[in-house]
Amino acid sequence: DTEVTQTPKHLVMGMTNKKSLKCEQHMGHRAMYWYKQKAKKPPELMFVYSYEKLSINESVPSRFSPECPNSSLLNLHLHALQPEDSALYLCASSRALAGGGTQYFGPGTRLTVL
Amino acid sequence: AQRVTQPEKLLSVFKGAPVELKCNYSYSGSPELFWYVQYSRQRLQLLLRHISRESIKGFTADLNKGETSFHLKKPFAQEEDSAMYYCALRGDSNYQLIWGAGTKLIIKP
Repeated sequence: DTEVTQTPKHLVMGMTNKKSLKCEQHMGHRAMYWYKQKAKKPPELMFVYSYEKLSINESVPSRFSPECPNSSLLNLHLHALQPEDSALYLCASSRALAGGGTQYFGPGTRLTVL
Repeated sequence: AQRVTQPEKLLSVFKGAPVELKCNYSYSGSPELFWYVQYSRQRLQLLLRHISRESIKGFTADLNKGETSFHLKKPFAQEEDSAMYYCALRGDSNYQLIWGAGTKLIIKP
């Protein structure tokens, strides 16, 4: 399996809801990433996990909470989001963090916050 | 400061014409440069890495350290090349990709 998968494809939530985004890879990669992408803009890095430990948090608001249950899975828990959080959320993975080569991206979850 | 500049937001060329998407970078060390492509309703995917020196889908890119450029070229554009193209630089931290703003390429029939 050489792909990063993400579920759901689309998500609509209210500002008081709690939801989760899921990401999975079976390439044996040990670094996983969450990005946020607004329309026609490049991805913005949110979080980086290395060997299932959170390595980087790019000053993301606490209403976004990442979790890495094992080396293949990455979750992003969402709570009390704002309409401006509506975006495409991308997961990516790479072989490792340092000198880890190419990042491979999932198809994304398109999130709409009402 | 590390920076990637893609000067064209939009590039429109006719099918069969040559294409060049510009990318300039600012980086004090030895850069690792990438081109990613995002087709409509598809995932962001790697097109080229400068260290691999491959030609993918007819595209090539050469790293010019003197001009600090990594322009993407294709001699004969095809309609299926229409997409958003991002140039990216791997920064000092070894994990973070520094992204250009992207160029939307439209190939006219």
